[in-house]
Amino acid sequence: GQQVMQIPQYQHVQEGEDFTTYCNSSTTLSNIQWYKQRPGGHPVFLIQLVKSGEVKKQKRLTFQFGEAKKNSSLHITATQTTDVGTYFCAVAYSGAGSYQLTFGKGTKLSVIP
Amino acid sequence: NAGVMQNPRHLVRRRGQEARLRCSPMKGHSHVYWYRQLPEEGLKFMVYLQKENIIDESGMPKERFSAEFPKEGPSILRIQQVVRGDSAAYFCASSPTTPGGGYGYTFGSGTRLTVV
Repeated sequence: GQQVMQIPQYQHVQEGEDFTTYCNSSTTLSNIQWYKQRPGGHPVFLIQLVKSGEVKKQKRLTFQFGEAKKNSSLHITATQTTDVGTYFCAVAYSGAGSYQLTFGKGTKLSVIP
Repeated sequence: NAGVMQNPRHLVRRRGQEARLRCSPMKGHSHVYWYRQLPEEGLKFMVYLQKENIIDESGMPKERFSAEFPKEGPSILRIQQVVRGDSAAYFCASSPTTPGGGYGYTFGSGTRLTVV
C-alpha cells in the first residue's frame, strides 16, 4: 500500500528555535494532510495541500507541498511550549476499493523552555 | 455542535473478555473510520464504514475484531476474547466526504483499552 516516510522521528528544540518535519513518498500524491496530536490527546486536523508547489501559512506554521507532489514539509518558526506534540502527515490511499487516509509515523516535538 | 463522541474513554478488560467501543460521528458526517494507536507509534487504519455498510476492512485483524455502523445508533468496534496485545488507544474519526474533498478527519478523544 501507499506509504509516506516521515522524518525525523523525534526532535528536541529550545524554545524560540525553529522546527521542521518532512514527509516523503515514492509515488505522486493527489493531496496531503497534516495533523497535530498533543500528549494524551487525539489528532487534530491542521491543513490539506493539493496543488504542486503549494505553500500555506497558519500563524507560525508554514506548510509546503513539493513541485513533484512527492514530498511535503511543516515548518514552525520560533517554537513555543504550546507546540509540543506529535505532528503527522497523512495521504489518501485507495485500498480495497475505498479511499482512506494512511498516516506517517509522526514527528514528536519536545520544546525545552 | 458536538464533535465525534467516543465512549468509554478508558476500558479495562481481563484476557478473554469482550470489549465494545462506541463512536458517534459528527452531525452531518456519514463516513466513519477506526484507527488503532500503540504507545509511541502512529495511527494504523482498521476499518471504514458508512451507514449499514462496511466499505473497507482491510486493516482489521481477520479474527476477533468486527465493526458495524447501524442505521440507528453509534458505530461499534467489537473485540472478542481480548489479549494483552490488544491494549492500545482506539480512535474513531468521521468526515463529510472521502479524503481529498477538502475536509480533514475529525477525531474523537479515543478509547484507551487496557487488557490485564
